[in-house]
Amino acid sequence: ETGVTQTPRHLVMGMTNKKSLKCEQHLGHNAMYWYKQSAKKPLELMFVYNFKEQTENNSVPSRFSPECPNSSHLFLHLHTLQPEDSALYLCASSRNTFPYEQYFGPGTRLTVT
Amino acid sequence: LAKTTQPISMDSYEGQEVNITCSHNNIATNDYITWYQQFPSQGPRFIIQGYKTKVTNEVASLFIPADRKSSTLSLPRVSLSDTAVYYCLVGDSENAGNMLTFGGGTRLMVKP
Repeated sequence: ETGVTQTPRHLVMGMTNKKSLKCEQHLGHNAMYWYKQSAKKPLELMFVYNFKEQTENNSVPSRFSPECPNSSHLFLHLHTLQPEDSALYLCASSRNTFPYEQYFGPGTRLTVT
Repeated sequence: LAKTTQPISMDSYEGQEVNITCSHNNIATNDYITWYQQFPSQGPRFIIQGYKTKVTNEVASLFIPADRKSSTLSLPRVSLSDTAVYYCLVGDSENAGNMLTFGGGTRLMVKP
């Protein structure tokens, strides 16, 4: 059971496709995050939004484009991805960026062919 | 940047108490210590957070010595369902990125 939902749960896309991942939190939080988790690797923080403003971008390639229209919704737009971008993409939210705990969604399993 | 070091893996048996230690030698004054649990193909789940001494909740205890250079997550009477990866994070309000940097974690295997 989680207050953070992600859609789709699984996505297969070609390198020339454009797709979007969606995250929604029902917890009244102000901060939202995107993480990437590749096989046998630690979670990598990609983007942080606080009160809809992007506060962190961890040198993520421009083929990943985040969007945060409001504090409850977060999108990750994908285009011209590479096979090495195949991973579990996790969304999380927290009341604020510190020191509150993060609540994670179930993730989207992305496969780039 | 407070780097954390944890054992890569641990084995235990059902009903035992498990203690996972995290080293953070260069922890800064404002840094908090947070632990998460992650099951395969799921997002991490917050377990516990502390600044100093001892913190206890319904799931675990966190022991932090006076010098704060390490911390120990204690899981009482583990069950098979506690098999997961446990992450220790250290960070402060000035560097949110630190608080959000997950290391390799400790893979706990609970056996019957």
